[in-house]
Amino acid sequence: EAQVTQNPRYLITVTGKKLTVTCSQNMNHEYMSWYRQDPGLGLRQIYYSMNVEVTDKGDVPEGYKVSRKEKRNFPLILESPSPNQTSLYFCASSPRISNQPQHFGDGTRLSIL
Amino acid sequence: AQTVTQSQPEMSVQEAETVTLSCTYDTSESDYYLFWYKQPPSRQMILVIRQEAYKQQNATENRFSVNFQKAAKSFSLKISDSQLGDAAMYFCAYRFDGGSQGNLIFGKGTKLSVKP
Repeated sequence: EAQVTQNPRYLITVTGKKLTVTCSQNMNHEYMSWYRQDPGLGLRQIYYSMNVEVTDKGDVPEGYKVSRKEKRNFPLILESPSPNQTSLYFCASSPRISNQPQHFGDGTRLSIL
Repeated sequence: AQTVTQSQPEMSVQEAETVTLSCTYDTSESDYYLFWYKQPPSRQMILVIRQEAYKQQNATENRFSVNFQKAAKSFSLKISDSQLGDAAMYFCAYRFDGGSQGNLIFGKGTKLSVKP
């Protein structure tokens, strides 16, 4: 089954404690992206990757890091989480062609205390 | 910069009736793609329908159809014969990746309630 898998689904942690949200897709997609969803703001892109070893900042990259060492994996790293990063996070992937819809993971709810 | 605007934060429809959700966008590009995503309480992002800007014909997927007005930069979603399972948050999204981020630009969403 074609899917994007995020882990964990939920996490409550404290300020400053490094965390990683994993994302894996099994569709051989070149393009992967992270979004955060906040009430009243919709979804905003954090980082994206056009292919292996190619990553770039989206619209709200501050406080986040990513890596793309393998085509299927695109982890999101919060080196020193802060309360303003409490949000719902989505990983998405798609073929490089832009008319193809992005496939989303089920979301990760992060709470930073 | 491209923007997407959904002017209706909340909408309500009676079961079996028809409802239209509005979406406008701003872009200087001529080739792009538009999508409607549904987010039920389970939080999943589910693609409802998509439209290529170069196609004049409006996309249709079963009970879901769009009214795409390119000159007006309008992309509304019509849900016919509304069902209880249609209750969700609906996001309109735009995508153009001519050398840029390739990201989806989302509107802020419209929360649809379906009354039995």
